[in-house]
Formats: sequence, structure tokens, C-alpha cells
Amino acid sequence: QITLKESGPTLVKPTETLTLTCTFSGFSLSTSGVGVGWIRQPPGKALEWLALIYWDDDKRYSPSLKSRLTITKDTSRNQVVLTLTNMDPVDTATYYCARRVGGVDYWGQGTLVTVSS
Amino acid sequence: QTVVTQEPSLTVSPGGTVTLTCASSTGAVTSGYYPNWFQQKPGQTPRALIYSTTNLHSWTPARFSGSLLGGKAALTLSGVQPEDEAEYYCLLYYGGVWVFGGGTKLTVL
Repeated sequence: QITLKESGPTLVKPTETLTLTCTFSGFSLSTSGVGVGWIRQPPGKALEWLALIYWDDDKRYSPSLKSRLTITKDTSRNQVVLTLTNMDPVDTATYYCARRVGGVDYWGQGTLVTVSS
Repeated sequence: QTVVTQEPSLTVSPGGTVTLTCASSTGAVTSGYYPNWFQQKPGQTPRALIYSTTNLHSWTPARFSGSLLGGKAALTLSGVQPEDEAEYYCLLYYGGVWVFGGGTKLTVL
């Protein structure tokens, strides 16, 4: 059974750095072709792809957020970590992690992060 | 900046057929963009429907199909059910970077 779950703070202040962890089970990020990515969705708005890390540590970022994003993996702990610096109220969103094998298939339940002072 | 465009809203009658499209600001969408389609109902996590243009996930009902149509990626629902009312998103691959469309709100009426 494949599952992914996001964890991290629900509230951050403007200018702070957000750190989110995706803990997954049922697959390995050391398997060729596997990737885990992050997607976010502001309330009432569309999905936005943020970043993806592959089994070989190749990392890809949204061009519009690249300067603020970092994605890393800990294969032994089955975790992928996303950091987003200099948070702003417009970054308020539900943040999802998802697996990519061929297509993007399994998603976590998402975690709502609110940016407010 | 690359923009992926979907119809903002569509309406279909139960039992009918509807096609949603996904266009790229860079030009025609081809199989090399590996189009993915997702369904999201209010308050729920997105659910994957189709990947690499035409491939259904194991859980995707057969009434969903994917294709390329007129330079766009397309999602066709045949024999629409009331439970198909949802927001639908496409996702395109641009050489390592992925971009979502703005979504199509499908109403079954």
C-alpha cells in the first residue's frame, strides 16, 4: 500500500522559512524512475507545481519560485523535505506531496499552511 | 513564463459526453509533454486519472479517456455520471519542469 503524508507547521510568520516533510511508505526513492514532488493550492485557487526530486537526486524547481525553494531526500528514512524561504501571506496554501512514476499517481492528504503575523 | 490554459467551466448532461482541453502557451501539445489529468472534488485531495496522454491509472473508470486533439491535450468523459462533477486539472512536462493548468470546473446538470 502506497501512502504519503505531509507534516510541518500550520502557521508561519512573514519572512520565516517553511520546512515541510513528506514521509512515504510502500515504495522506495532509490528505485530507478521514481520521483517525489511538492504541489500547493491556495484556498479556492488552482494547483501549482513547486518541485520534484528523483531517485538519482536530480532536482527540479518551478522557475518562478526557484530562488526560494530547496528539495532534499533522505532515502533511508523515506522522507522528502521542502523548504521555502521568505514566506509571505500569498504563500498561504495547502501543500501536497505526490509520487511520480510515469505519471503523478499517489498524493498525500495535504497540509494547510497559513502565513500570518 | 509558460502558461497552460484550460476551459474555466463546462456543463454536461448526465449520460452525455464532454471533452476538456489543455493548451500550452509554447505551442502545440505533443506526447512529449506527457499530459497528466487529475480530478478534484471540493475539500478533497486531487486524484490522478490519466498519465502520458492516454494511459489510465488502475483505478480510473473506463469512461475517462485521454488524447491529443487539435494541438491540445484532451480529456474525454463518455457516459458522464453525476459523481463526475468536479474540478479537472491538466499537468504538462517542460523538460524537467511541470506546469498545471488553471483547471476546468465541470458541472453535471
